[in-house]
Amino acid sequence: EAQVTQNPRYLITVTGKKLTVTCSQNMNHEYMSWYRQDPGLGLRQIYYSMNVEVTDKGDVPEGYKVSRKEKRNFPLILESPSPNQTSLYFCASSFGYGSEAFFGQGTRLTVV
Amino acid sequence: GQNIDQPTEMTATEGAIVQINCTYQTSGFNGLFWYQQHAGEAPTFLSYNVLDGLEEKGRFSSFLSRSKGYSYLLLKELQMKDSASYLCAVSNAGKSTFGDGTTLTVKP
Repeated sequence: EAQVTQNPRYLITVTGKKLTVTCSQNMNHEYMSWYRQDPGLGLRQIYYSMNVEVTDKGDVPEGYKVSRKEKRNFPLILESPSPNQTSLYFCASSFGYGSEAFFGQGTRLTVV
Repeated sequence: GQNIDQPTEMTATEGAIVQINCTYQTSGFNGLFWYQQHAGEAPTFLSYNVLDGLEEKGRFSSFLSRSKGYSYLLLKELQMKDSASYLCAVSNAGKSTFGDGTTLTVKP
């Protein structure tokens, strides 16, 4: 089944404790992207990747890192999480940036 | 930068037609996406417009005017399951900027 898989789905962590949210797709998509969604707001793009080893900042990259060492995986790293990073995070992938995007089920992160 | 505006909320009746507008002011533009997002779920792709004009896909149609910085999503024969948030997003060479979304409530 074609899908984008994020893990974990839910995470509660403490300020400053490094964490990684994984994202994996099985559709051989070149384009992958991370978004955060806060109440009453639409999605805001954090980082995106056009292909392996190619990543670029979205609108809200501060406090986040990403890597794209292989085509199927695009992890989101929070080296020192802070409470303002409490949010719902979505990973998405597509063949290209103008193609139909498929989203993961989301990761609800709480930083206390 | 990018600025994208869409109404916060809309209400319509089952069986009716509703149009959700999206206006944008951007420093770059490749195309415009529409997504549907039901409460508690991930967004799902509805359409991507690159050229001016109307694109129809079943009950849903999307229109784009690049010169006016304007798009709309048209939903026909509304069903209760169409109650959701509708997000418009501008794509600029890989970078996507979203509006805050329009919450549509369909009433019987």
